[in-house]
Amino acid sequence: GNSVTQMEGPVTLSEEAFLTINCTYTATGYPSLFWYVQYPGEGLQLLLKATKADDKGSNKGFEATYRKETTSFHLEKGSVQVSDSAVYFCAPQGSNYKLTFGKGTLLTVNP
Amino acid sequence: EAGVAQSPRYKIIEKRQSVAFWCNPISGHATLYWYQQILGQGPKLLIQFQNNGVVDDSQLPKDRFSAERLKGVDSTLKIQPAKLEDSAVYLCASSLGVDRVEAFFGQGTRLTVV
Repeated sequence: GNSVTQMEGPVTLSEEAFLTINCTYTATGYPSLFWYVQYPGEGLQLLLKATKADDKGSNKGFEATYRKETTSFHLEKGSVQVSDSAVYFCAPQGSNYKLTFGKGTLLTVNP
Repeated sequence: EAGVAQSPRYKIIEKRQSVAFWCNPISGHATLYWYQQILGQGPKLLIQFQNNGVVDDSQLPKDRFSAERLKGVDSTLKIQPAKLEDSAVYLCASSLGVDRVEAFFGQGTRLTVV
């Protein structure tokens, strides 16, 4: 089955710092890859996705590139804001649309 | 477009009691998921339906958990009897059920077993 290894948190950054959250996965077949975000007190929502090799998903200044050769989907943002403070989950979607989540990375951005 | 609706939002019960959660997915979504999210962890898939058939329930503790999806729309997840370790947020999600599209999540039900 699918599995996800996600960078351990918590991550604490100052505003405008560069962010990387690493994610590697194992999956049968050719999964789609997602990053979900959970803001304080809110439900899980999609941040970005990539559905084939070398695709780059992007949203709200965040980016992640589907690297099939390294089975990775690292999340990056060039300049984080306080409002980016949240928990981030990497999630591959394998066969039968099964969606598997990593443990999550708590990001705190200080002003 | 209406999102995934879940109820109740919060529930507190004593151990050995029973509890049920309800989910109404987005209209037209064939796939419905129930996840358990323990504090500080990622969501763990309990059961996945495609229309009204079960696709995956390998991590559902079947001695105490049950779920159904009547007519391929609404779904109910039940715990009977509850244990302390069942305290968690129970998330329902739905998707179109075709390749490479995302799932949409409800707000979740926070269960506390005392």
